[in-house]
Amino acid sequence: NTKITQSPRYLILGRANKSLECEQHLGHNAMYWYKQSAEKPPELMFLYNLKQLIRNETVPSRFIPECPDSSKLLLHISAVDPEDSAVYFCASSPYTISNERLFFGHGTKLSVL
Amino acid sequence: GDSVTQTEGPVTVSESESLIINCTYSATSIAYPNLFWYVRYPGEGLQLLLKVITAGQKGSSRGFEATYNKETTSFHLQKASVQESDSAVYYCALGETNSAGNKLTFGIGTRVLVRP
Repeated sequence: NTKITQSPRYLILGRANKSLECEQHLGHNAMYWYKQSAEKPPELMFLYNLKQLIRNETVPSRFIPECPDSSKLLLHISAVDPEDSAVYFCASSPYTISNERLFFGHGTKLSVL
Repeated sequence: GDSVTQTEGPVTVSESESLIINCTYSATSIAYPNLFWYVRYPGEGLQLLLKVITAGQKGSSRGFEATYNKETTSFHLQKASVQESDSAVYYCALGETNSAGNKLTFGIGTRVLVRP
């Protein structure tokens, strides 16, 4: 699936600040960040619809999402913690209804030293 | 909250054998959630395999089938004859929407290895 691109693919950090990027070329209104830790299912972090943050699951405040335009999604992480080691998936869908198919990117694997 | 439980992997089967991955759900936020199977092939992102949004209906794709059973709250995935290309991680998921937008709740995933 090259229609949703994420960068970087791999990220190894000490206690630093970093941003993950996602871009979708599908013309979708909704964009999501999901986090998948080892041995756990993917879990929703944030949902944007038409650039507005409409769903914010219980996420530490060091994670700050940003949606500069309807095709781009960023995730800023400050002072990462070892528990943040995970794969972060970006996804998009045409609308925000429960029967929508989500389109996922390949993910960014974050390893915190 | 909502939850999804599925067969623990890895599941190893030989080519042309049948496969079943069990999935049961608990939906506290919605009476009749939408149900999905997503798959992640090696080196690729998650993609939709099939979905069913009406209880009692069956979905099918690429030889896989799953029936939405609201009595047993199950959505098992089956294939009669697997191929090596079916080696992947399969995720059962429940979809719900509230005033804050939609959300997928995933199971932990089942890794399937198909031996040639």
